[in-house]
Amino acid sequence: QTVVTQEPSFSVSPGGTVTLTCGLSSGSVSTNYYPNWYQQTPGQAPRTLIYSTNFRSSGVPDRFFGSILGNKAALTITGAQADDESDYYCVLYMGSGVWVFGGGTKLTVL
Amino acid sequence: QLQLQESGPGLVKASETLSLTCTVSGGSISSSSYHWGWIRQPPGKGLAWIATIYYSGTTYYNPSVKSRVIISIDTSKNQFSLKLGSVTAADTAVYYCARHIVGGTQDFDNWGQGTLVTVSS
Repeated sequence: QTVVTQEPSFSVSPGGTVTLTCGLSSGSVSTNYYPNWYQQTPGQAPRTLIYSTNFRSSGVPDRFFGSILGNKAALTITGAQADDESDYYCVLYMGSGVWVFGGGTKLTVL
Repeated sequence: QLQLQESGPGLVKASETLSLTCTVSGGSISSSSYHWGWIRQPPGKGLAWIATIYYSGTTYYNPSVKSRVIISIDTSKNQFSLKLGSVTAADTAVYYCARHIVGGTQDFDNWGQGTLVTVSS
């Protein structure tokens, strides 16, 4: 089964920019995989940040930007803030009615 | 405002069947625009999609659990349910129900708060 890959952890300084990626163990991510990004804080349900590659969900600041970079989907956060410290998950539509989440990235802001 | 609420036993014995229900309020589960799904998260680990269902009964399953899972829907009660058989400790997780936009954005755009199910030996 294809594995969706994410960096296990990342660190960014307050006010800095960070790009998290979402790849495949085999092949390249394209818009056809409808990459979606979710933010999850401890004890809470995930919430959508980005859907269909690059559309921000309602209420999401424009500091969050989704794209395809090379062969991966990417989530870029600019002007990082303390409350951006969360777990970030991508999910890809693999076709044939199968969706696969990545392992998640734990983002630290310090 | 759409709300989803999971319910079911918090403790299940190994080899038995885990049964959960998601009650949807503030919107109709029979809407042609949406599907309904289950996602789980083992303690300290990542998210995993389990299954999705449409009001018509069309179902989609994660191949890794397909042989043990049944997702069903009761439009009269505005609920959908999950049954997972032959559970082991590896099935211990927080189980979330969510609204799922299939065929469009593929987004899980509304989530329940989640319910922890522990499998005991």
